[in-house]
Amino acid sequence: DAGVTQSPTHLIKTRGQQVTLRCSPKSGHDTVSWYQQALGQGPQFIFQYYEEEERQRGNFPDRFSGHQFPNYSSELNVNALLLGDSALYLCASTLAGPDTQYFGPGTRLTVL
Amino acid sequence: GDSVTQMEGPVTLSEEAFLTINCTYTATGYPSLFWYVQYPGEGLQLLLKATKADDKGSNKGFEATYRKETTSFHLEKGSVQVSDSAVYFCAFLNQAGTALIFGKGTTLSVSS
Repeated sequence: DAGVTQSPTHLIKTRGQQVTLRCSPKSGHDTVSWYQQALGQGPQFIFQYYEEEERQRGNFPDRFSGHQFPNYSSELNVNALLLGDSALYLCASTLAGPDTQYFGPGTRLTVL
Repeated sequence: GDSVTQMEGPVTLSEEAFLTINCTYTATGYPSLFWYVQYPGEGLQLLLKATKADDKGSNKGFEATYRKETTSFHLEKGSVQVSDSAVYFCAFLNQAGTALIFGKGTTLSVSS
């Protein structure tokens, strides 16, 4: 049973660039959430996607956008990167409804 | 607003010592409660959960009881091992059932 997978593992970008992170949910799951984890902090909710639509959004600017595909996989896009966007980006999947979220290994983004 | 408060670390213990990590939360209603664990360089793994008052979640010797009266979900283990060294996050699911609200994490270091 495949768990949540994310790519790439690590990424280095410079300020002002754009980045796309990818996530494949656990087998049988249809809902994907994205979180940002700064160094030494707990994860912060960015948004959740279900049925290819953004269901809820956390307190993040519009530079953060996402997409969900018909196969339930998802992308997180960040435009106009800032130094403060350096973090571990975690993807979590679940079945629709208030169920347990299972996390992937994360993508470590470094902005120089 | 919604928040989680965890005891600050690091917590340093000798092998076979008793572990308690305190967690209290501020939330609307009676949310599902979770403990996640993060090993160095990895994503989050679900450790245990409880979905209603007085429920006890347990896994791998760890336990936590959902205390509605004190809005707490303290993590305990009777005898820790070196392999338990990690960062532990307390979290709850928001009222919409979409976002996990995390504490800042508690680092546990166990020495032999």
